Amino acid sequence: QSVLTQPPSASGTPGQRVTISCSGSSSNIGTNTVNWYQQLPGTAPKLLIYINNQRPSGVPDRFSGSKSGTSASLAISGLQSEDEADYYCAAWGDTLVFGGGTKLTVL
Amino acid sequence: QVQLQESGPGLVKPSQTLSLTCTVSGGSISSGSYYWNWIRQPAGKGLEWIGRIHTSGSTNYNPSLMSRVTISVDTSKNQFSLKLSSVTAADTAVYYCARSLAVAGTPIDYWGQGTLVSVSS
Repeated sequence: QSVLTQPPSASGTPGQRVTISCSGSSSNIGTNTVNWYQQLPGTAPKLLIYINNQRPSGVPDRFSGSKSGTSASLAISGLQSEDEADYYCAAWGDTLVFGGGTKLTVL
Repeated sequence: QVQLQESGPGLVKPSQTLSLTCTVSGGSISSGSYYWNWIRQPAGKGLEWIGRIHTSGSTNYNPSLMSRVTISVDTSKNQFSLKLSSVTAADTAVYYCARSLAVAGTPIDYWGQGTLVSVSS
């Protein structure tokens, strides 16, 4: 049972916009920044969004993040087949905590 | 470009100690101010942070594992290590080593490829 709560699955068709939510508490998201990771099958997680809404170099601007209070969201616009992956939110509290992950399916 | 590579036994017997090493290349483990982390992921499940060690040697551990975990660093070899004692089948997972900046809230930015450790007799 993960400290941060994410929906287990999400889906969309190519070109659509999808959002993935991440709910926490005042001890983690409420007082710290949120980072998002993309994990393709059989690979290590890759940093997708950091400090709530910043994209590392090389991450397409189709990916965006936001945070409000004790919740955060990842939005993917112009959905592509290669976006099919698991997505995890993470935030520091007393320790680093992760969401349970959301499996994104591109229909 | 920093690269991290995990190494160690892929099979550990129950009640024994799991030992893994992470070799850092592309930069000195003792330069700058970084945390060196261990994270694990059971098959088909989510990520769990195990703990971290700072360049200075200070450590932080996940309270749920603290009694069994030791993370250490060997700057002469540009490596840091994980020891997890009294393992059970529940410790079977892919173990990742990873780096984060020692600035509040900054993310884990570099990950190793991960190594599968199975706990079985």
